[in-house]
Amino acid sequence: AQTVTQSQPEMSVQEAETVTLSCTYDTSESDYYLFWYKQPPSRQMILVIRQEAYKQQNATENRFSVNFQKAAKSFSLKISDSQLGDAAMYFCAYTVINYGGSQGNLIFGKGTKLSVKP
Amino acid sequence: DAGVTQSPTHLIKTRGQQVTLRCSPKSGHDTVSWYQQALGQGPQFIFQYYEEEERQRGNFPDRFSGHQFPNYSSELNVNALLLGDSALYLCASSLELRRDQETQYFGPGTRLLVL
Repeated sequence: AQTVTQSQPEMSVQEAETVTLSCTYDTSESDYYLFWYKQPPSRQMILVIRQEAYKQQNATENRFSVNFQKAAKSFSLKISDSQLGDAAMYFCAYTVINYGGSQGNLIFGKGTKLSVKP
Repeated sequence: DAGVTQSPTHLIKTRGQQVTLRCSPKSGHDTVSWYQQALGQGPQFIFQYYEEEERQRGNFPDRFSGHQFPNYSSELNVNALLLGDSALYLCASSLELRRDQETQYFGPGTRLLVL
């Protein structure tokens, strides 16, 4: 079964500091995508960053970067220079690439609640 | 360019009733997926519609059904509501979910409370 595990229910970081959120996943597939989504209290799920499994280079989006360890099935998110607006639930998600190139459905972890202290 | 929209934003129903939730995808998108997010949990996949047909389905009972219209908008129907159906229902749209396409964009969700 494909599963996504986020072992940190809550995390806290001081404004302007760096924080790392952990995620592990279990799959027998070799071709897949990994994502980090942010869900603020407004409930809208917002894509933070995406990583393709066949790319060895870690994805980066401004202050957000990932550490993708394919052999270990680990996909952590690093937030640098944390801002008050980064406070939200963060979900790690996975989707398989089906034969023919289409993406499957998203499988989410249970989330990590990030608090940012001023 | 409007993003994914969902209606209504909140809904209160009683056990045994039926409910219909609606979703309009982001402009240019043709694939709609529905997710259920219970309180304190990550979203769980219900089903996905493409070209007006259900293409994938998660582990949800037949009480959950859907429809996609020619304009790509979609409805989620839940019959015989149970207390456990109380959740945030998220709609996500994308373009055919191909490898080289952008990933799914989510709407703000519909909060359903079953009493």
